[in-house]
Amino acid sequence: QKEVEQDPGPLSVPEGAIVSLNCTYSNSAFQYFMWYRQYSRKGPELLMYTYSSGNKEDGRFTAQVDKSSKYISLFIRDSQPSDSATYLCAMTGTNAGKSTFGDGTTLTVKP
Amino acid sequence: GAGVSQTPSNKVTEKGKYVELRCDPISGHTALYWYRQSLGQGPEFLIYFQGTGAADDSGLPNDRFFAVRPEGSVSTLKIQRTERGDSAVYLCASSLSGSGDTQYFGPGTRLTVL
Repeated sequence: QKEVEQDPGPLSVPEGAIVSLNCTYSNSAFQYFMWYRQYSRKGPELLMYTYSSGNKEDGRFTAQVDKSSKYISLFIRDSQPSDSATYLCAMTGTNAGKSTFGDGTTLTVKP
Repeated sequence: GAGVSQTPSNKVTEKGKYVELRCDPISGHTALYWYRQSLGQGPEFLIYFQGTGAADDSGLPNDRFFAVRPEGSVSTLKIQRTERGDSAVYLCASSLSGSGDTQYFGPGTRLTVL
């Protein structure tokens, strides 16, 4: 079993929909939680970065971390066709260094 | 400012050959990471440098893989006796200090071993 599990999708939604993306994890040492967006043949681009539990909002994006359940979420409001990409969750322990990634969820937003 | 750059963007080689992949981190970033991403999977950690030294090389799959960062800036990932299973996108990332700082990724080098 992987340390970080992520539903691969694919997920297809109409423009304007609210999108919910989720990851679960097993390592309680993870303290930093990230969401990356990756377009085809590009490197991952950081969207959201959260330390420990709680919520963080940035524009149309909201990240939630529930350490008690070992569960993190990314919500995208008013989704746009340009949001079509693969979304990766990633986590890092207290000693920082390496990040452990989920396998990504592929999202398509249809106009 | 300039982001993380990687060269070459694509590399095709034959089984058994030696390859070098280069990463130029963001200026001033002391931490540098190498990851490998296979199709349909997330990036998999290979090695992490803090300055010139490898702080964590636990992700290197075997002794055919080696990485250096001699001056604490540019890094080279070296793969000896390449195998078809080495085919993947090799991603480099850098961060300011490594202690929970944001990692910024380069575009990757797509390695194909024939």
